[in-house]
Order: sequence, then C-alpha cells, then structure tokens
Amino acid sequence: DSGVTQTPKHLITATGQRVTLRCSPRSGDLSVYWYQQSLDQGLQFLIQYYNGEERAKGNILERFSAQQFPDLHSELNLSSLELGDSALYFCASSVAKNNLRRYNEQFFGPGTRLTVL
Amino acid sequence: AQSVTQLGSHVSVSEGALVLLRCNYSSSVPPYLFWYVQYPNQGLQLLLKYTTGATLVKGINGFEAEFKKSETSFHLTKPSAHMSDAAEYFCAVSEDNQGGKLIFGQGTELSVKP
Repeated sequence: DSGVTQTPKHLITATGQRVTLRCSPRSGDLSVYWYQQSLDQGLQFLIQYYNGEERAKGNILERFSAQQFPDLHSELNLSSLELGDSALYFCASSVAKNNLRRYNEQFFGPGTRLTVL
Repeated sequence: AQSVTQLGSHVSVSEGALVLLRCNYSSSVPPYLFWYVQYPNQGLQLLLKYTTGATLVKGINGFEAEFKKSETSFHLTKPSAHMSDAAEYFCAVSEDNQGGKLIFGQGTELSVKP
C-alpha cells in the first residue's frame, strides 16, 4: 500500500459525458502528479500540482483539467469524453521539498480505470 | 527532450534463468533513472532508482541495474527469475531533481515459465 488513494476504482460512462477522478496523496506530500496509461499511448504524464498550484503540464487535452485543494487532495476532471479517453488514470504524490540533489520519490496510487462506451 | 526506449515488449524466461530487460534513454542533462513494476490490476511500484553516485544500483526483490552513461543505458537484471516476477516493467527518466515528471518507456511484459 503506497498510501495514495484514488476513487473510484472503476468508472463506466458514455461519450460526451463528464467525470471527476479523485486522489488523496500520502500524508505530508505536497506534490500530486496525474498520469494516463492507455494501450496505444502507454504511460503519459498529464499534469503536476505542488501545494495547490500548477507546476508542470504534459500532454493534457484541453477537455481535461485538474486542481489541488487546500487539504492537498486533487481532482482530475475529464469532459466531453471520447472513446479514446478510456484508460487507466494514475495519481502519484511526492514530498517535493527543495532539497538540493535529492530526488523525491513518487508514490503511485492503484489507479482509476475509465471506460467510455 | 527526454525519451526512453525499452527493447522488447515481451520477454519470456524460464524459472531460475537470468532476467535482462533493456532500457536506453536520451537526456540533455544528467538524468535520474528508474525502474517500476506493475502487477496485474495494480499501481506502479518503484524497484530501484539511480540519482547520483554508484552506477550499479540494487533494488527490491533481487533486481539491480547499471547506469552506463557512455551507452545511455540502464538495463535491469536479476540473476534468477521467480514465478512471482511475472509482471510489466517500466523504465523511466526524469531530469528534475525536485521530483519532477517521469517519462516512461513503453513497458516490457515479463513472463516466467516453470
């Protein structure tokens, strides 16, 4: 158990709909990352938040958005869903303090499997 | 730009045989390198990482990897495969020493035959 929780575990919805995925980081972790794992694209970084602010952006579609709340949990919102959005969405967290040359390991949650029909 | 190439999407070994999973990376700065394992229907678990220092890195479950800068490689090995090692393995690179985004390879599925 990594200490990162994600809800729901599974989500089945229809094209055109909107869903929200939730992530609670490990206690004390300030940074949250979202990744998408799909058969055709593999594992891709979507977006990172640090202490409530967006820090880095990857290949995230404009239909997708995220935020990190004051209690540090994060939500990934996916709208106007398409069949190709079906994937496993992972959240990871790390401490991300500014320690010189210290890599802060990312701990991954179990993922949310999204199926768009 | 960073990238990771894992040679072989599927590797099959016999129980007790050497496991070798290949990973090559490209990075414009000294990289941080990682191997993650994913068991079916589970999240990613860190096997080992290279950040600085010794280039031969030991991880969990008997795995190790060697960072070879001249070859831009970070191959994962285990002397003797166990049935429980069957899983998908991902090599990843990061250039951000603050724990930044990970760039993953396409993954290698390891099968272990009895």
